[in-house]
Amino acid sequence: DAKTTQPPSMDCAEGRAANLPCNHSTISGNEYVYWYRQIHSQGPQYIIHGLKNNETNEMASLIITEDRKSSTLILPHATLRDTAVYYCIVRVVNSGYALNFGKGTSLLVTP
Amino acid sequence: DAMVIQNPRYQVTQFGKPVTLSCSQTLNHNVMYWYQQKSSQAPKLLFHYYDKDFNNEADTPDNFQSRRPNTSFCFLDIRSPGLGDAAMYLCATSRVAQETQYFGPGTRLLVL
Repeated sequence: DAKTTQPPSMDCAEGRAANLPCNHSTISGNEYVYWYRQIHSQGPQYIIHGLKNNETNEMASLIITEDRKSSTLILPHATLRDTAVYYCIVRVVNSGYALNFGKGTSLLVTP
Repeated sequence: DAMVIQNPRYQVTQFGKPVTLSCSQTLNHNVMYWYQQKSSQAPKLLFHYYDKDFNNEADTPDNFQSRRPNTSFCFLDIRSPGLGDAAMYLCATSRVAQETQYFGPGTRLLVL
């Protein structure tokens, strides 16, 4: 699976959009971009994934650049409960079973 | 409403005393996973079951075993816990291989 690079930490004011970047410059054509988050002392929570088109669900939007070398997870109206570590994972569909979480971005949403 | 359930949420055991953690799922998924997450680290896959087929990660210590008696349940057995096995243990499921994994809340294991 391709390596990802995320900033170690970010802050966001409550009610504002949180934009979390991820670089995956070595991504290959059959690799998906997955986002999970982990709130303190809880299990990881699936957020969204995509291959090349932008995706949106009830939790977030995923914007993937045209060259697929980077992506951005957008939480449109961040709340205090969105404070968590956010993991960007690049994954080949037919690769091994493990999710390689990396270090993630620690997002702090402030009042 | 809970889809992946782990019991207990907190488990205390003594050094060397066998301990079993349990996981159940209501999703009817084929694959069940066990991850270990030590403090301030990312989760690390220990093993998984695809239906009844058990698959161990290469670097998972022999001290860790697993059982899956049916589709819904999976157990993690630690035969002789050491202090270094204190961690959060996460169970996850996916419908089929390489699809989205859904995690339980985790069991935090403390070894005294």
